[in-house]
Amino acid sequence: DTAVSQTPKYLVTQMGNDKSIKCEQNLGHDTMYWYKQDSKKFLKIMFSYNNKELIINETVPNRFSPKSPDKAHLNLHINSLELGDSAVYFCASSQEALAIIQETQYFGPGTRLLVL
Amino acid sequence: EDQVTQSPEALRLQEGESSSLNCSYTVSGLRGLFWYRQDPGKGPEFLFTLYSAGEEKEKERLKATLTKKESFLHITAPKPEDSATYLCAVQGLQGFKTIFGAGTRLFVKA
Repeated sequence: DTAVSQTPKYLVTQMGNDKSIKCEQNLGHDTMYWYKQDSKKFLKIMFSYNNKELIINETVPNRFSPKSPDKAHLNLHINSLELGDSAVYFCASSQEALAIIQETQYFGPGTRLLVL
Repeated sequence: EDQVTQSPEALRLQEGESSSLNCSYTVSGLRGLFWYRQDPGKGPEFLFTLYSAGEEKEKERLKATLTKKESFLHITAPKPEDSATYLCAVQGLQGFKTIFGAGTRLFVKA
């Protein structure tokens, strides 16, 4: 029974297209995240939602827009895809509200995006 | 600015050859330091959280230690199945971001 799931696992698309990645967690966690892992394997935070409210919004292009319909789901929509968007995108979730104590993050399997 | 540097970038060991991975960090007050393991094609998997200098945690052949400036992940008598990328991350008291290092790729040969 997968704790954090993402779809699709692979996404190959042309420049200029719009695409979405979906994430769902069944852990009952309050906080969800989107990370980007580039070719050098650095994991960088993009967004974080706590109980459907945006709490972290890093300096990412406006073409990236997260949406959280409920606290178990956090989707990522990308408009006008560019070559540099090619990377692995990971969704994660954690139990604790960020202001309280340190949280352990549980990661999904990743979505490998390739923009041609 | 919070920063995490891991060394070495890659480490090749023979089975049974113990070694350590280093994670140096700069943070404006440490909320927590995390170690994750990442296998190829998969998401990071949580290993340990350390909160304060002097703290140690163990799990099977892995032991994580923490000082005020760095953390070590000690691997005792590694096996081929320990081959993976090990990621270190910190969360500071300012803001809620978790900052990851680039990782150490560990290869253990039978």
